[in-house]
Amino acid sequence: NAGVTQTPKFRVLKTGQSMTLLCAQDMNHEYMYWYRQDPGMGLRLIHYSVGEGTTAKGEVPDGYNVSRLKKQNFLLGLESAAPSQTSVYFCASSYLGVDTQYFGPGTRLTVL
Amino acid sequence: KNEVEQSPQNLTAQEGEFITINCSYSVGISALHWLQQHPGGGIVSLFMLSSGKKKHGRLIATINIQEKHSSLHITASHPRDSAVYICAGDSGNTPLVFGKGTRLSVIA
Repeated sequence: NAGVTQTPKFRVLKTGQSMTLLCAQDMNHEYMYWYRQDPGMGLRLIHYSVGEGTTAKGEVPDGYNVSRLKKQNFLLGLESAAPSQTSVYFCASSYLGVDTQYFGPGTRLTVL
Repeated sequence: KNEVEQSPQNLTAQEGEFITINCSYSVGISALHWLQQHPGGGIVSLFMLSSGKKKHGRLIATINIQEKHSSLHITASHPRDSAVYICAGDSGNTPLVFGKGTRLSVIA
């Protein structure tokens, strides 16, 4: 099993560009999450999904959109990137809500 | 609002020392997660507990529900334990609330 994978691992964008981050899990987990991690801030939840076809806002959703068309994939989109979105993005998944979360390796995004 | 506070922020220890990292949490949180973030950035879940104590190798996690406090202990610490340790509160109905992490350095 690959666990949780993220694509890409690194990306540099210019302000205003768009991109999509892909998260995939092969553990048949219902719940999936997108977090961002910034120095001194800890992990903050952007959006999450409790099952295929569902999405919900987390703590810092502005500027991001998500989709969960397939159970194994959770996409995070930036429509018009801003320098404030420079961060490390982590995807995670869990079988249940109150359950161990399995994290992907992270995507380092820089917006110039 | 659910909150989680960790202490200390930074910790330096000599190899072999017994290490304790603390986490206090607010009312409404029913379970605590402990995570480890390696220097390379990867995050691994260590424990999830809602009562008592759990042990895995040299790592022990305890939780006191009445005092709303959890501790992560590392026995016989080793340089490979150097990492950021994160606690996260789980209320069951809403997503995890993360502490800011404790950066541990174990010196040989």
